[in-house]
Amino acid sequence: DAGITQSPRHKVTETGTPVTLRCHQTENHRYMYWYRQDPGHGLRLIHYSYGVKDTDKGEVSDGYSVSRSKTEDFLLTLESATSSQTSVYFCAISVGLGSYEQYFGPGTRLTVT
Amino acid sequence: KNEVEQSPQNLTAQEGEFITINCSYSVGISALHWLQQHPGGGIVSLFMLSSGKKKHGRLIATINIQEKHSSLHITASHPRDSAVYICAVLIQGAQKLVFGQGTRLTINP
Repeated sequence: DAGITQSPRHKVTETGTPVTLRCHQTENHRYMYWYRQDPGHGLRLIHYSYGVKDTDKGEVSDGYSVSRSKTEDFLLTLESATSSQTSVYFCAISVGLGSYEQYFGPGTRLTVT
Repeated sequence: KNEVEQSPQNLTAQEGEFITINCSYSVGISALHWLQQHPGGGIVSLFMLSSGKKKHGRLIATINIQEKHSSLHITASHPRDSAVYICAVLIQGAQKLVFGQGTRLTINP
């Protein structure tokens, strides 16, 4: 258990509404990631962060933004949710510094109707 | 073509059988990650390896960097091993993982 929590765990929202998902870690790890998991696509990187206020895009970043104002929190925002963003979202941390193993949060199931 | 390919995509076996799941990749990597995901569940890290072999209980992971191939073995398989097993590679020079599609394993009692 790497002390990662995600909130909310489930959310149903309507097309066009903004949605923010939160990832919280308790161990001050530098690297944090947001992934989405969809049938037929596996896990795909949305955005990642390598420190406070330091973020970069992944392979499926369109329609998503992120913020990291504190080491422990990494927020994923869907500015205007679309049905194609219905997915399960996982946050992960990397312990880094020679050990690049990633540990995942429990996931957030988001449904956009 | 995906950078990370797993085989088989689906595998059904009887309890007690020796299981092998394969992962091949086409890019330069720093390390390779094996993960496990139970139905409806979270994702658990099993192994991270960059050479040779690692063992944890009934699970064994091997990697051949020259051949760009890794295998995950399960000895004396049990129904609780039923899960999706995911291979991911850490791209050289990056702190990002690229994932395979996963192998769905079902162990029947």
